[in-house]
Amino acid sequence: EAGVVQSPRYKIIEKKQPVAFWCNPISGHNTLYWYLQNLGQGPELLIRYENEEAVDDSQLPKDRFSAERLKGVDSTLKIQPAELGDSAVYLCASSLRVGQGAYEQYFGPGTRLTVT
Amino acid sequence: AQSVTQLGSHVSVSEGALVLLRCNYSSSVPPYLFWYVQYPNQGLQLLLKYTTGATLVKGINGFEAEFKKSETSFHLTKPSAHMSDAAEYFCAVHGSSNTGKLIFGQGTTLQVKP
Repeated sequence: EAGVVQSPRYKIIEKKQPVAFWCNPISGHNTLYWYLQNLGQGPELLIRYENEEAVDDSQLPKDRFSAERLKGVDSTLKIQPAELGDSAVYLCASSLRVGQGAYEQYFGPGTRLTVT
Repeated sequence: AQSVTQLGSHVSVSEGALVLLRCNYSSSVPPYLFWYVQYPNQGLQLLLKYTTGATLVKGINGFEAEFKKSETSFHLTKPSAHMSDAAEYFCAVHGSSNTGKLIFGQGTTLQVKP
């Protein structure tokens, strides 16, 4: 079974440029998460989707970040314009949630963004 | 609100020695607790989780953790370290049963010396 796929794995851009990250979750997983991981820190949730609905985007900086999950499958996270402080690893995870409870989240390898 | 504190950002052990990584949590509801491992340039992999039931949880690669409610702890242990265990380890608590949100600690880097 294929895991969570993310692309690109690495991205270097100049500040003020736009950038997009793509995530394909595990087949059949209805829930998709985007996390931000700063160097030496644990991941922090940016946004969570249940199917195609963003059910928790309270930590997403909406002035420059946007995300979409069309058709409830793969997802794109965009930053426009990028700032130096956005340099980090962006992780995508997915899970199969049925009702309430704790469900294992499967993580992709991440996209390492460097803003110069 | 939930939070996680991992004591010690770096832990160094000799190969064959006991591994002990400490995690304390704060939660206003009965917690669901997780340990993840992250190897360089890879995503996070679940080692083990506690939801309900038995407080001693066994995971992959010989790791186990014990949920101690009175101490609000969920420390990770392995009797004998292998070189391949060198990685970063994250403790996490489930935000609440209906959000699916994981709240992670800062991580502990485990170094294994030959």
